[in-house]
Amino acid sequence: QAVVTQEPSLTVSPGGTVTLTCGSSTGTVTTGHYPSWFQQKPGQGPRTLIYDTSNKHSWTPARFSGSLLGGKAALTLSGAQPEDEAEYYCLISYSGGREVVFGGGTKLTVL
Amino acid sequence: EVQLVESGGGLVQPGGSLRLSCSASGFTFSSYAMHWVRQAPGKRLEYVSGISGNGGSTYYADSVRGRFTISRDTSKNTLYLEMSSLRPVDTAMYYCVKDRRKVVVAPSDYWGQGNMVTVSS
Repeated sequence: QAVVTQEPSLTVSPGGTVTLTCGSSTGTVTTGHYPSWFQQKPGQGPRTLIYDTSNKHSWTPARFSGSLLGGKAALTLSGAQPEDEAEYYCLISYSGGREVVFGGGTKLTVL
Repeated sequence: EVQLVESGGGLVQPGGSLRLSCSASGFTFSSYAMHWVRQAPGKRLEYVSGISGNGGSTYYADSVRGRFTISRDTSKNTLYLEMSSLRPVDTAMYYCVKDRRKVVVAPSDYWGQGNMVTVSS
């Protein structure tokens, strides 16, 4: 089974910019892997922020953006807010959904 | 408004069985694939299973294949997860998640609130 890797933890200053990445053990992440990003705050269920690499949901704040960067999927937060402190998970879909793997999550601290 | 409401969780002994349900509303149920994702206490998200909009294609994580069965009833707008031979490691919050496509691609749309399953003697 493929392994999806994320930074275990990152810290960003209020108003600052930070990029979270999502890599695959199988090689370069492409749009064909339909990378997605999810936010989970303590005591809450996850919610989808980004789907299909860079598409935002209606509830996704404009300061979040998704892209491909250096062979990985990336989530960039520009202008971090205290309420953005959360765990962020990425997901990679392989072989048209036959294998779906979540990353280990990145704990983002806004400090 | 899309709503996904899970039910059926609870405490079950090792080796036992349980059926989770997910009642869907606010969208054309048969037009979208659906998924189950779980999260053990304090752990990462783990993909469990997915089913296409017409129910013709199903996929499972290696950890549950042969023990869990995903299905859907379009007439009831309900997704199911039949779980058997349950193990303590199956203890988790189970989430029902909507796909954005009719074919199984990714659980990248709406999430339910989750339903807790505890496997313990």
